Amino acid sequence: QVQLVQSGAEVKKPGASVKVSCKASGYTFLSYGITWVRQAPGQGLEWLGRINTNNGNTQYAQKIQGRVTMTTDTSTNTASLDLRSLRSDDTAVYYCVRDWSGEIFDWWGHGTLVTVSS
Amino acid sequence: DIQLTQSPSSLSASVGDRVTITCRASQSISSYLNWFQQKPGKAPNLLIYAASSLHSGVPSRFSGSGSGTDFTLTISNLQPEDLATYYCQQSYNTPRTFGQGTKVEI
Repeated sequence: QVQLVQSGAEVKKPGASVKVSCKASGYTFLSYGITWVRQAPGQGLEWLGRINTNNGNTQYAQKIQGRVTMTTDTSTNTASLDLRSLRSDDTAVYYCVRDWSGEIFDWWGHGTLVTVSS
Repeated sequence: DIQLTQSPSSLSASVGDRVTITCRASQSISSYLNWFQQKPGKAPNLLIYAASSLHSGVPSRFSGSGSGTDFTLTISNLQPEDLATYYCQQSYNTPRTFGQGTKVEI
């Protein structure tokens, strides 16, 4: 069945970078995009952006534009999120999500907690 | 950015009740509206897409309606396992945005 297995929790200092990975299985990787969503502790859901797995085209939320890079490795069916210059308000659970045409988020990874603290 | 406002922010209901959650968009989004359920400590799950289409495997007691700016998620015959926070989300344009959530207590 469909699985999105994410990398483990991270603790980072302010100003550092973090890379969260998401390995997909159980479906044809190139048939769906990957969207990234985060959720700060006790808060709602925030869309971070999306990558087209076929051509690598990306769309990023303006809030993190310039600090974020989304990539895919089609040889391993893995998507990755790189976030740089971390701040305390980047502390959140980060989810990778399988998406259909960027419109329908039908399968979610289990989430990766990223904690930014000095 | 399109703002989505959910009401109520929280509600308490009994098993067997009919529950209605509304989501209002700051501009027309046609039917590009999805609903998610998030249980405590878990990732969200898709319930409804395109305003009224039931996602595969979702119980038929969940239904969605609406178009334009006003949308509704209805849970008929509320069950104990429906304890969760429910979010609406628009896919009309980017950035995709979510409502602030409605917490359902039983």
